[in-house]
Amino acid sequence: GENVEQHPSTLSVQEGDSAVIKCTYSDSASNYFPWYKQELGKRPQLIIDIRSNVGEKKDQRIAVTLNKTAKHFSLHITETQPEDSAVYFCAASNDNQGGKLIFGQGTELSVKP
Amino acid sequence: EAGVAQSPRYKIIEKRQSVAFWCNPISGHATLYWYQQILGQGPKLLIQFQNNGVVDDSQLPKDRFSAERLKGVDSTLKIQPAKLEDSAVYLCASSLVEERLYEQYFGPGTRLTVT
Repeated sequence: GENVEQHPSTLSVQEGDSAVIKCTYSDSASNYFPWYKQELGKRPQLIIDIRSNVGEKKDQRIAVTLNKTAKHFSLHITETQPEDSAVYFCAASNDNQGGKLIFGQGTELSVKP
Repeated sequence: EAGVAQSPRYKIIEKRQSVAFWCNPISGHATLYWYQQILGQGPKLLIQFQNNGVVDDSQLPKDRFSAERLKGVDSTLKIQPAKLEDSAVYLCASSLVEERLYEQYFGPGTRLTVT
């Protein structure tokens, strides 16, 4: 089955700097890759997603890139702010599996003012 | 629109006791998921429903866990008997079938502590 590895497990940046979180997946049939942000004690919230027919997607300060050949995808946050501090999870799924998401282990991002 | 609702928000039980969680998905969402999130880990799918039918329950420990989605709307997840390793947050999520199938919306979760 699908396996998703996420790195780093913790990331600390200064406010205004960029943050990059990377994930690799094992199943070449996976075709949907969402990113979720989870603040302490709260529900995971979808912040951006990408499908396998697209190489890059941006939404304001957030961008996701996908390399299907290498089977990895990354989350880029620019001009980080303290409110970006949270745990970020990547996930992968395959249309043929009905939307079942396989999550990475999470990255705890800390943005220091 | 209203989000995914879950109750209770917190539950503390002793091992070998039973517990049930309830989920009400976003109106019109045909697909419903139950995930288990152990502290410090990503959510792990337990069971997926499409309307009131089970799509995937390969990761559900069926000797102690059960779930149902009567009438294709609300769902309940039950654990009987509970073990210490069942301590986790149980998240319910839902998604539309026709559009953006895989954009899943999560509920606030139920934090279960088994002592």
